[in-house]
Amino acid sequence: NAGVTQTPKFQVLKTGQSMTLQCAQDMNHEYMSWYRQDPGMGLRLIHYSVGAGITDQGEVPNGYNVSRSTTEDFPLRLLSAAPSQTSVYFCASSYRVGGYTFGSGTRLTVV
Amino acid sequence: EDQVTQSPEALRLQEGESSSLNCSYTVSGLRGLFWYRQDPGKGPEFLFTLYSAGEEKEKERLKATLTKKESFLHITAPKPEDSATYLCTLPGSARQLTFGSGTQLTVLP
Repeated sequence: NAGVTQTPKFQVLKTGQSMTLQCAQDMNHEYMSWYRQDPGMGLRLIHYSVGAGITDQGEVPNGYNVSRSTTEDFPLRLLSAAPSQTSVYFCASSYRVGGYTFGSGTRLTVV
Repeated sequence: EDQVTQSPEALRLQEGESSSLNCSYTVSGLRGLFWYRQDPGKGPEFLFTLYSAGEEKEKERLKATLTKKESFLHITAPKPEDSATYLCTLPGSARQLTFGSGTQLTVLP
């Protein structure tokens, strides 16, 4: 089925570990972005991309890296996990106009 | 800086009791306003895009309207399955989204 696929759905990390959250879309969308959702804080933009090879920082980029080598994939890397990065992470994609399609999320716990 | 403020934070309705959710916004140049629905444990689901003041969109029991400073999501005769968090958001120049904190709607049978 067409859409945005995020893996894994759940992850527990120890402080200091690194990992990559995967995001793939099969709709040929130009725009992709990562958000984190925390209770009482709403959805906040981490990084975004307007096309392959182009990325930029959002509101809360510290501790995260991204790359966009293909149109389909937009992985989010946690360099050295901290408890403050415990959150639910959503990847989203869109065309130049119209609404974004969101993935089902990755629930990350850092202990 | 784009800003979105949603009210109320939470709303409890009886089944069939119509009401409205509010989204107040400030933006340097409106590129559209989106409404999303989010169910617990799931990603946001797209509902509507509004582009200009006076525009209205409808889907089942939901109608979204837009003025120069606000958007309203009207819910007519809601059912328990309409219970969800409703999110209002603005796309930026690179289509990055600024979200409101949402309105958590509970419809009681």
